[in-house]
Amino acid sequence: GAGVSQSPSNKVTEKGKDVELRCDPISGHTALYWYRQSLGQGLEFLIYFQGNSAPDKSGLPSDRFSAERTGGSVSTLTIQRTQQEDSAVYLCASSSYDPDTQYFGPGTRLTVL
Amino acid sequence: QKEVEQNSGPLSVPEGAIASLNCTYSDRGSQSFFWYRQYSGKSPELIMSIYSNGDKEDGRFTAQLNKASQYVSLLIRDSQPSDSATYLCAVKSTGGFKTIFGAGTRLFVKA
Repeated sequence: GAGVSQSPSNKVTEKGKDVELRCDPISGHTALYWYRQSLGQGLEFLIYFQGNSAPDKSGLPSDRFSAERTGGSVSTLTIQRTQQEDSAVYLCASSSYDPDTQYFGPGTRLTVL
Repeated sequence: QKEVEQNSGPLSVPEGAIASLNCTYSDRGSQSFFWYRQYSGKSPELIMSIYSNGDKEDGRFTAQLNKASQYVSLLIRDSQPSDSATYLCAVKSTGGFKTIFGAGTRLFVKA
C-alpha cells in the first residue's frame, strides 16, 4: 500500500517568509508525528496528533511553528517568519495503535537563505 | 541529562564481526523501545521493537532490554558493509504516543 508522503521534497525560501509543509499519512493510521532533523543530528520531536485528542505540541521550538491535522488525515506544518536556523529536514511519520511502529515519509528539506 | 542517550560513534567493525550498539534512557516508566536504521540521505526505518525485559531476536539482529538499568542495546551479528548506517534508539514515553529519539550511532562495517 501507499506509504507516508510529504510535499514539497525540497523548499528554498528567504528569511522572513512563511512556509507550509504537507504530510499525507498511511490510511487508517491514527497517530501522526512531525520531527526535525538538522544536518548530522538526531530527530527532534516537534508535535504529534492522536485521533481526535488534543495534539502534543511540547516539542515546537517557538510560536512561529504551528501544525494542524484536518479530518484526522492530512497534516500541515507551518513555519512563520522563517529564520536560517529553521533549515533542516522535516520528517513526518504515522502509526497505528497496535503495532506502534512509526513509518516515516521521505522528508522535506527546508533551506532558509 | 538527555532523555535518550547514545554514543555518537563512529563505531567501526570488520565485516563478519558483531556490532554492539547501546542506549540509555531517563524515563523509568517507558514501555516501548525501538531501533531505527537511517542510511545517509534517507528516512529512518524500523529494525526492531522490544517491550519486555530480555532478548528479542530477528535474523541477524538482537535487541536487549533491561528496564531496571534503563538500558537497551542492539546486536548485529555477521555485520555486512550494507549495515553501515546511523542507528537511532527511540523510546516511547509513558502513557502516550510521544517518542523520543537518541542522536544516533554511526556504524561503519569495513569490507
